[in-house]
Amino acid sequence: GIQVEQSPPDLILQEGANSTLRCNFSDSVNNLQWFHQNPWGQLINLFYIPSGTKQNGRLSATTVATERYSLLYISSSQTTDSGVYFCAVHALGKLIFGQGTTLQVKP
Amino acid sequence: DTGVSQNPRHKITKRGQNVTFRCDPISEHNRLYWYRQTLGQGPEFLTYFQNEAQLEKSRLLSDRFSAERPKGSFSTLEIQRTEQGDSAMYLCASSPSSGGKETQYFGPGTRLLVL
Repeated sequence: GIQVEQSPPDLILQEGANSTLRCNFSDSVNNLQWFHQNPWGQLINLFYIPSGTKQNGRLSATTVATERYSLLYISSSQTTDSGVYFCAVHALGKLIFGQGTTLQVKP
Repeated sequence: DTGVSQNPRHKITKRGQNVTFRCDPISEHNRLYWYRQTLGQGPEFLTYFQNEAQLEKSRLLSDRFSAERPKGSFSTLEIQRTEQGDSAMYLCASSPSSGGKETQYFGPGTRLLVL
């Protein structure tokens, strides 16, 4: 089956810093989503991005489907950005998740 | 649009007991999914429904697990004879149409602890 790998596994930033999270996937996929899981476990949709680039405030994402990777950029990080970031690829209707990147933003 | 809701939010049970979780999807969403997430891992697919039809079940879904969506609206996930290894967060998601490529929206999850 499709493998999804995220890097780095853990990231510690000082408030105000920028960061890039990466998601590699092993096969062609129909679509890809980025999520932020808050400390209470809720998965919050960030982007639905099969290809190209999207931006939402301080966050942006780029997917290069032909090269099988996606990037999530966080600029001017805030403490509220802390949590786990997951990418998930759509495969035959269901989502296959990576292991996540745990982000800690220090004040 | 009130979002996906799940009940209960937390459940503590003793090994061997049966538990049932409920998921109410976003209204008019045709597809409903169940996932399980253990500590430190990403969510893993369990099963999904297109309206009331259960279309796929993961190998993770043992015979002790059963899911239903009787009227194509809410869904229940039952675990019989719970084991400590069933302790996890159970997540429900829904999506708006039958294509399978649309954004999936997740509920807050039910956190199960089996003692």
